[in-house]
Amino acid sequence: DTEVTQTPKHLVMGMTNKKSLKCEQHMGHRAMYWYKQKAKKPPELMFVYSYEKLSINESVPSRFSPECPNSSLLNLHLHALQPEDSALYLCASSQDEWRGYNEQFFGPGTRLTVL
Amino acid sequence: SQQGEEDPQALSIQEGENATMNCSYKTSINNLQWYRQNSGRGLVHLILIRSNEREKHSGRLRVTLDTSKKSSSLLITASRAADTASYFCATETSTSGTYKYIFGTGTRLKVLA
Repeated sequence: DTEVTQTPKHLVMGMTNKKSLKCEQHMGHRAMYWYKQKAKKPPELMFVYSYEKLSINESVPSRFSPECPNSSLLNLHLHALQPEDSALYLCASSQDEWRGYNEQFFGPGTRLTVL
Repeated sequence: SQQGEEDPQALSIQEGENATMNCSYKTSINNLQWYRQNSGRGLVHLILIRSNEREKHSGRLRVTLDTSKKSSSLLITASRAADTASYFCATETSTSGTYKYIFGTGTRLKVLA
């Protein structure tokens, strides 16, 4: 299985809602990533988990809260988002974190709209 | 300005022609990777080239890296309509043990049948 899956595919939420994005991989990868991508822009790294521990937080607002329950799962909890948070949220995994040799496998993304 | 800037921003060619896109970066890198993204979808990894490598091939793809000029190019030969996508370079850098992974601005390629 060389796939990264993400659910849901689309999500519409109000600014007062609480929702979660889910990401799963069964490739035995020990590093997982969250990216945010606005239309016609490159992906921007948000968080990196390495061996289930938060390794990098790229100064992301606290209304985004990542969680890594086990080595195969990565969640992104959303609360009190703003309309400008509307974007495509991409999850990726790699065999190990960085180290110069690891390609990242991306999921199809969750298209988030905040009203 | 950004670590990875690509040019052209957009490229339109006829099927069968070659497509070349370039990526320039500012700081020393560990490696550079190229990805393809179909409209609004996830990214697909194409090629990784390490800082001590100069050229790599994969099928119809050829990537070069010139660390002295801090630039890389992706050549797609004999393009097909299915190659229509956005192409991003991504650079991995490490400074004092801190790793950074930054995507370039991307090139939108359109291959006309």
